[in-house]
Amino acid sequence: SYELTQSPSVSVSPGQTASITCSGEKLGDEYVYWYLQKPGQSPILVIYEDNKRPSGIPERFSGSNSGNTATLTISGTQAMDEADYYCQAWDRRTVVFGGGTRLTVL
Amino acid sequence: EVQLLESGGGLVQPGGSLRLSCAASGFTFSSYGMNWVRQAPGKGLEWVSGFSGIGGNTFYADSAKGRFTISRDNSKNTLYLQMNSLRAEDTAVYYCAKASSGSYNAAFDYWGQGTLVTVSS
Repeated sequence: SYELTQSPSVSVSPGQTASITCSGEKLGDEYVYWYLQKPGQSPILVIYEDNKRPSGIPERFSGSNSGNTATLTISGTQAMDEADYYCQAWDRRTVVFGGGTRLTVL
Repeated sequence: EVQLLESGGGLVQPGGSLRLSCAASGFTFSSYGMNWVRQAPGKGLEWVSGFSGIGGNTFYADSAKGRFTISRDNSKNTLYLQMNSLRAEDTAVYYCAKASSGSYNAAFDYWGQGTLVTVSS
């Protein structure tokens, strides 16, 4: 079965740029979606179709996808961005989530 | 405003059954795909099943095939998940998630608050 791999944790200082990666075989051939989840809350879509932001998501969130790696970039990271981030893709009519990356804003 | 309200979770013994419901409002329910996603305590997200808005096709994760059945009642704007032969490893918060289109391969743009299913003797 298809797998998406994420680093378990990423740390960033406030105001700096955070990069969260998601890897999978030929991932660049598929659309990637990104969700954030804060403790005790439901997930929220932050990037869809590799690099598009839903209404209401700040411009500091951006995405890219090429080759075997998709990247979620948060520019000017704020304390409120501290959360778990999950990538997601579709594989033969099933949904695959990455294991999640905990972003810590130190 | 889109709202998704799950219900039906609770404590069930191994081998038992449970039916989850997701009441939807704020959008044309029949036009959109709908999904169930679960999250075991302290773990990541795991997709369980989906129901496309176009064509009415259903999809299942391997862990759900043969035990879970997804269905929808467009007249009641409600999505269901019938879960049979439950196992301890099915213990999780179950989220209902709306797809951003009628197609099966779309983003999950709205999520419910989740309902907890605990499988234990």
